[in-house]
Amino acid sequence: AIQMTQSPSSLSASVGDRVTITCRASQGIRNDLGWYQQKPGKAPKLLIYAASSLQSGVPSRFSGSGSGTDFTLTISSLQPEDFATYYCLQDYNQLTFGGGTKVEIK
Amino acid sequence: QVQLQESGPGLVKPSQTLSLTCTVSGGSISSGGYYWSWIRQHPGKGLEWIGYIYYSGSTYYNPSLKSRVTISVDTSKNQFSLKLSSVTAADTAVYYCAREKTGTLIDYWGQGTLVTVSS
Repeated sequence: AIQMTQSPSSLSASVGDRVTITCRASQGIRNDLGWYQQKPGKAPKLLIYAASSLQSGVPSRFSGSGSGTDFTLTISSLQPEDFATYYCLQDYNQLTFGGGTKVEIK
Repeated sequence: QVQLQESGPGLVKPSQTLSLTCTVSGGSISSGGYYWSWIRQHPGKGLEWIGYIYYSGSTYYNPSLKSRVTISVDTSKNQFSLKLSSVTAADTAVYYCAREKTGTLIDYWGQGTLVTVSS
């Protein structure tokens, strides 16, 4: 099974900061990766698919990059509504989630 | 607009079988192109994929749960179901059903249902 290692597990940031979260796959997964945002008590929301494609309706401050084994989610200017937990998900071979990154207010 | 809704008991006794059903509206499971998934989230923890099923009945399971999981589909009712056998307290979690398509990932989720395993 493919393992997804996500880092950091948590971070503290201020409104307006640039935030970067990474995911590393245990083997190459082409660009079969996406990013989700989850707020307490809610189902995850898709932000990015195919590593770098922005889901419809998602603000352009979210972007994704990477291919193969290393991937990045970037929030260019953190907004108050962005404080949440973020997960990567690979679907190259079945599905595997990363461990999550909790973005907290500094 | 596709909607998914989980249903089933919120409390299951240890060693018994957890059974949940997901009802899909706004789209047909039989239309193809999608995998219908079950995912769970232990309290305060991350997301764990349990498995998924194609409308034809082909199933794929997380290797760590494979021996205890059965996912089935009823296209006539536009539903798919999860059975998890021999449950313990470690199976206490919020269970989500979801729709997945290779390349576009999971785009629709149910609201989630908390299942507690306790005597």
